[in-house]
Amino acid sequence: QVQLMESGGGLVKPGGSLRLSCAASGFPFGDFFMNWIRQAPGRRPEWVSFINGGGTTVFYADSVRGRFTISRDNAKNSLHLQMNSLTVDDTAVYYCTRGVSSDSWGQGTLVIVSS
Amino acid sequence: DIVMTQSPDSLVVSLGERATINCKSSQSLLHNSNNKNFLTWYQQKPGQSPKLLIYWASTRESGVPDRFSGSGSGTDFTLTISSLQSEDVAVYYCHQYFSIPWTFGQGTKVEI
Repeated sequence: QVQLMESGGGLVKPGGSLRLSCAASGFPFGDFFMNWIRQAPGRRPEWVSFINGGGTTVFYADSVRGRFTISRDNAKNSLHLQMNSLTVDDTAVYYCTRGVSSDSWGQGTLVIVSS
Repeated sequence: DIVMTQSPDSLVVSLGERATINCKSSQSLLHNSNNKNFLTWYQQKPGQSPKLLIYWASTRESGVPDRFSGSGSGTDFTLTISSLQSEDVAVYYCHQYFSIPWTFGQGTKVEI
């Protein structure tokens, strides 16, 4: 079955960086668009970034453009999110999701940005 | 950006009764390429990630109980739980994937 497992979250100071990863299994990873979606405590989910199957097309939310970079390694069935210049507003659980319609979600990894 | 607005924000329903959640988008989600509405519904229980219930506005995801149904087209959509069970206590979100940035409704909390 489809499995998505995020890692790399943690506590970081404002201005710091983190690299999130998502290990995918149970489906032909390279055939699927992938997303990062985040959810701050008590808030609705917020789409962050999207990458196509070949890794040639990416999109970002305005709130992260220029600071975050999405990438994927289809040989290793992995998705990544490099997050730089983090602010307190980036505090959230970060999920990787499969497909344009986000039909599968991982369990999430918590990112806390605090001094 | 497409704004998704759900109503109500919260809902208290008796066991076995019907729950109805509405979602309105600021632009039509009906794509003329395939005549489908680019809208999904998710269920999120405390401490869990969202779970897909409905896609294309009305297609039930495999394994989802048939008491869950989605309807609507264009800008107005509804999620109906025909006979509420205790395990349905959760927050429900609508989500549009018609245009980037994908956006979500604010959520509707369903309680018994």
